[in-house]
Amino acid sequence: NAGVMQNPRHLVRRRGQEARLRCSPMKGHSHVYWYRQLPEEGLKFMVYLQKENIIDESGMPKERFSAEFPKEGPSILRIQQVVRGDSAAYFCASSPPIATGTDTQYFGPGTRLTVL
Amino acid sequence: KNQVEQSPQSLIILEGKNCTLQCNYTVSPFSNLRWYKQDTGRGPVSLTIMTFSENTKSNGRYTATLDADTKQSSLHITASQLSDSASYICVVSLSFWSGGYNKLIFGAGTRLAVHP
Repeated sequence: NAGVMQNPRHLVRRRGQEARLRCSPMKGHSHVYWYRQLPEEGLKFMVYLQKENIIDESGMPKERFSAEFPKEGPSILRIQQVVRGDSAAYFCASSPPIATGTDTQYFGPGTRLTVL
Repeated sequence: KNQVEQSPQSLIILEGKNCTLQCNYTVSPFSNLRWYKQDTGRGPVSLTIMTFSENTKSNGRYTATLDADTKQSSLHITASQLSDSASYICVVSLSFWSGGYNKLIFGAGTRLAVHP
């Protein structure tokens, strides 16, 4: 059973470009979470999604950031018009349905975004 | 404000020695507390999870304790190995029953270096 997959692992963008980060949850997991980790800081919650629904986006910046988890395919975190402050590691996690009795989140390896 | 604070920020120990990492939290309503290990360039991996009623939980050479009254937790590592070099993150789960999921609040982590 493959773990959470993220790609690309490293992404370099120039200021003003768009960044698209992809996350494929573990098989059987229907919940996806995105986190951002700035250098020397802890992970910060961004958004929680289920298939085709955004459940909690309280951690998402109001502008330029969006996330989706379509019925088919991976979850996408999209950052438009990137700025240097967007440089960070972005982690995706997935968890099984709550009905399974566990809320353990399993993390992917992260995408390291560098904005030049 | 929901916060998780960890100490020390960084720690260097010699191989074979024991160490204890600390975590204080102000998170309510509390669901559970986890310790994660994050190797450089990788996503966090869960080590232990404790609910409100649990005082201690072990996973091999890792032993976590929880005092829900004082809102403190510790992670004790016994007979350290070079492979223990990593960041150790205390994560408190904020209960969101209405949303059917628990939001995670992350500490900044303790960076442990084990030297030969």
